[in-house]
Amino acid sequence: GEDVEQSLFLSVREGDSSVINCTYTDSSSTYLYWYKQEPGAGLQLLTYIFSNMDMKQDQRLTVLLNKKDKHLSLRIADTQTGDSAIYFCAEYSSASKIIFGSGTRLSIRP
Amino acid sequence: NAGVTQTPKFQVLKTGQSMTLQCAQDMNHNSMYWYRQDPGMGLRLIYYSASEGTTDKGEVPNGYNVSRLNKREFSLRLESAAPSQTSVYFCASRPPGPEETQYFGPGTRLLVL
Repeated sequence: GEDVEQSLFLSVREGDSSVINCTYTDSSSTYLYWYKQEPGAGLQLLTYIFSNMDMKQDQRLTVLLNKKDKHLSLRIADTQTGDSAIYFCAEYSSASKIIFGSGTRLSIRP
Repeated sequence: NAGVTQTPKFQVLKTGQSMTLQCAQDMNHNSMYWYRQDPGMGLRLIYYSASEGTTDKGEVPNGYNVSRLNKREFSLRLESAAPSQTSVYFCASRPPGPEETQYFGPGTRLLVL
């Protein structure tokens, strides 16, 4: 079945890079997404990558996709306190469904 | 353009009570979704509606019913609330095409005593 897995917590020092990892099971997924959820709010799309791409960069964000290993990562360069949030990996499945991981809570140390 | 709106924002119910969570979107999206979010479990899909007039079960549909009243509105009903249904409920909508993101409402926080 479809499944998306992420580690639950990540702590990084302010100014360092954060790398959040995700694995998925559906090899036919065409799009993979990263969402950000700030406290008390809904999810907002950060970025997405099409399955025929290996990498996508958008300002401080870099998404890497390893289709062979079904591994997706999100790198945030120069992590700031405003980056504290829960980050969800998600894959597009069939029949209009998007499958979400459990979310990784990113905390920033001064 | 309000996006996706949900009412109420907060609700406390006693076990066995019923209630309906309302969701509306003004973006003319075909697909709408209801998720619940619990600590450490991410978002789990309860029901979704790929288009007006159709609804399908998601991962955790038991104890819930939905109505796609029209293209704008998608409601979630708890007929007999249970403490296990304490959660944060998110409604989302999405235009056609896999490259299109979901747009989320602000959430409804439900506590069942």
